[in-house]
Amino acid sequence: QSVLTQPPSVSGAPGQRVTISCTGSSSNIGAGYDVHWYQQLPGTAPQLLIYGNINRPSGVPDRFSGSKSGTSASLAITGLQAEDEADYYCQSYDSSLSGSVFGGGTKLTVL
Amino acid sequence: QVQLQESGPGLVKPSETLSLTCTVSGGSISGYYWSWIRQPAGKGLQWIGRIYTSGSTNYNPSLKSRVTMSVDTSKNQFSLKLYSVTAADTAVYYCARTLVSHGDYLGYFDYWGQGTLVTVSS
Repeated sequence: QSVLTQPPSVSGAPGQRVTISCTGSSSNIGAGYDVHWYQQLPGTAPQLLIYGNINRPSGVPDRFSGSKSGTSASLAITGLQAEDEADYYCQSYDSSLSGSVFGGGTKLTVL
Repeated sequence: QVQLQESGPGLVKPSETLSLTCTVSGGSISGYYWSWIRQPAGKGLQWIGRIYTSGSTNYNPSLKSRVTMSVDTSKNQFSLKLYSVTAADTAVYYCARTLVSHGDYLGYFDYWGQGTLVTVSS
């Protein structure tokens, strides 16, 4: 059971918009700690997608955006492309556990 | 472009010690935090811990009693030791550079190694 809860799967057709939620609690996201997002393509290492809730590293398309409110955060992907098919993970700090924690991951399927 | 490469035995016997090294190239190891993260097959990511180039460490409390991390700045390397391993420690182990933001105590991971599979089995 992950401290940060993500839907196991989401799907969308090419060109559509999808969102992936990351729900935490008062000891992590709700406490104001930053949320970061990673994309893991099949058989590869995770790659940083969003850091500090809303920031994109250089090279990440602006089709990817992050937001945070209360005890939750979201990753939005617009103009869905086949190459976006991957697993997505959120990450934050949890003060109760005194450690970095990840969500359980969400598998994005492009129909 | 910073690159990280994990190395170490791919097979470890139960109750023995898992030892991995991460070699950093394309940049200096100094002045950064460096982390280990693992992923069992078909499962999610678990943060193991991080080390600063001064040698200061933070470990996942669930693993703290079995983990030691070290750094060798002269070789641009940092290492992980996990003691008394069991089958539950079988996973792909990643090393990653760690950046700290104002809103995050332990940081996020901007460069990752390709990962190395460690299997615990007799």
